[in-house]
This record gives sequence, structure tokens and C-alpha cells, in this order.
Amino acid sequence: GDSVTQMEGPVTLSEEAFLTINCTYTATGYPSLFWYVQYPGEGLQLLLKATKADDKGSNKGFEATYRKETTSFHLEKGSVQVSDSAVYFCAQWRSSASKIIFGSGTRLSIRP
Amino acid sequence: GAVVSQHPSRVICKSGTSVKIECRSLDFQATTMFWYRQFPKKSLMLMATSNEGSKATYEQGVEKDKFLINHASLTLSTLTVTSAHPEDSSFYICSAGGGFGTDTQYFGPGTRLTVL
Repeated sequence: GDSVTQMEGPVTLSEEAFLTINCTYTATGYPSLFWYVQYPGEGLQLLLKATKADDKGSNKGFEATYRKETTSFHLEKGSVQVSDSAVYFCAQWRSSASKIIFGSGTRLSIRP
Repeated sequence: GAVVSQHPSRVICKSGTSVKIECRSLDFQATTMFWYRQFPKKSLMLMATSNEGSKATYEQGVEKDKFLINHASLTLSTLTVTSAHPEDSSFYICSAGGGFGTDTQYFGPGTRLTVL
């Protein structure tokens, strides 16, 4: 069935380090792909999305490219900040059932 | 961007009582809303999908008589936890989208329920 797999956390980096959080998906067809971010004690915020192959979503310095060949949607940021500390969820929209399938989430902690 | 609110943000209740949580889309009409439950340090578990004017669709294993969902208008959905018990304590999050098939969901800030 359709699923989303993302790297286990927690991920701890120093400020200004390069960030990659891996995400792969299995799906029938070509779903829309998302990254959501959840700050402590809050709901989820849409960080970025891509709707078709080779699309690149970007926001707040974060980027992710929809790779059909590798069924991946890895999240990257060139220089992280302490304020990026949060839990990041990769997700796909399962159009046949009209609902989102989430990955397990990756907790990111940035040291000053 | 689209804004979804939830009320209350935090609620503490006694075992056996019922609690209602509201989810509102503030600046758009949401024909579809979703309710999730999140356990500490875990991902979101979809509980049910509600479509305005029709019955909610519950995920397998979710008790529909315990978690009552009503989506009576295009801007409001409610989740009522009936006869709450300590194991119902959790973080409940709703999301709203513009219509059936809309892939972008906007999430509320969540409601922390604690049942004593």
C-alpha cells in the first residue's frame, strides 16, 4: 500500500550546518508530496510541497525535489538555525482516498 | 495563507465527562476536515474524515460512538470525546482543505486533552 518512510531521528546539528532529512514514498501513480513542520506544542505547518516529478518545493531556505526515479523527496537546508529545531514530517496525498499519509516524523535539534 | 483554529487549546476534565473540541476554518470554506490524534513523540494518526453535510468516515479501530464528529457548516467541525477516560488523553489536531480531492491541508494548532 501507499506509504512514506523518513529517516529516524533525532537529528542533532550545530548551527549553520547543512541539513538533509531523507524521505521516500511508495504510491500508485504520482502523488503530491509535502513537508510539514511541527514546533513544540503546536500543530503542523505546511513547509513546502511539490505536485509532479522534478518539481522543487522551497520555503524559508528549505528545499525538496520530487524525484520519480528514486521515489524520494529529501528535505535540505544549506545553513540551519536554532529556530529550525522542530519535528519534520514528510507526507503524500493519497488521492484515491483523499487523505494524507504521513511519515513517522524526524525530530531536529540545532545547537547554538 | 489559510488559517485553521481550534478551541480550546488545552482542556482538563474528569473521567466520565464529555469534551467538545472545535475546529474552524477562518478564511476559507472547508468541505472536508480531518481529525488526528498524536501521541507523545509520535506521528499523527488519522481518526476520521468529515465532509460537510454528511456522516464522518472513521478509520479502522476508531470508535465512532466515542469520538463523535459533526461537520454542520463549511467552516466548523467538532469532535466530541464522550465519557472520556485517562487513555483518551492526547493531542488532537484537525486539518481542513478546500474540497474533496484538494491535496493541501491546513492544520489547526492542536488541543491538548488531559483526562484525570
